[in-house]
Amino acid sequence: DGGITQSPKYLFRKEGQNVTLSCEQNLNHDAMYWYRQDPGQGLRLIYYSQIVNDFQKGDIAEGYSVSREKKESFPLTVTSAQKNPTAFYLCASRWGEKLFFGSGTQLSVL
Amino acid sequence: DQQVKQNSPSLSVQEGRISILNCDYTNSMFDYFLWYKKYPAEGPTFLISISSIKDKNEDGRFTVFLNKSAKHLSLHIVPSQPGDSAVYFCAARNSGSGGSNYKLTFGKGTLLTVNP
Repeated sequence: DGGITQSPKYLFRKEGQNVTLSCEQNLNHDAMYWYRQDPGQGLRLIYYSQIVNDFQKGDIAEGYSVSREKKESFPLTVTSAQKNPTAFYLCASRWGEKLFFGSGTQLSVL
Repeated sequence: DQQVKQNSPSLSVQEGRISILNCDYTNSMFDYFLWYKKYPAEGPTFLISISSIKDKNEDGRFTVFLNKSAKHLSLHIVPSQPGDSAVYFCAARNSGSGGSNYKLTFGKGTLLTVNP
């Protein structure tokens, strides 16, 4: 089955801890994206990557970091600098004009 | 500054009737628009799109209309079905964001409830 896999589905972060959200795709898409959704809010762009070993900051990159060492993988690290990390995180890849999304990771703070 | 606005947080319609979801944008550089549907705790799924060179695009029960002069687009669902109940997001692409800088700007979404 081709698609985008995000893991884990639920994640809890302790104060001062860094956590990493996984995103893997087997669609052979070059471009990948991370968005954040808060209740009653739209999707806000955190980081995106058009090709391997290259990525750009989105609108709300502060407190986050990414890497793109492989075409299939685009992990997102939520650092301790992100003071309000509780949100639903969505990873996507792009084919043509369309984004295809994973099923999301709900991150909560303990 | 919100560039894509969905001013109705929610909409409730009866099964079989028409659902009309609205979206306004402020950036005249937007040239491609998409609608996504999202169920709780799931990722959005692509529904329908329209290029700025068109004013209408239809796919089965779903039709999107674009009024460039008013910077307004709408999604019509006819007839509405209970399974259409979800959050609908409007998204727009900046014509300057082709190639290496492609990204979408999303609205806040409208929760559609279709009552049996």
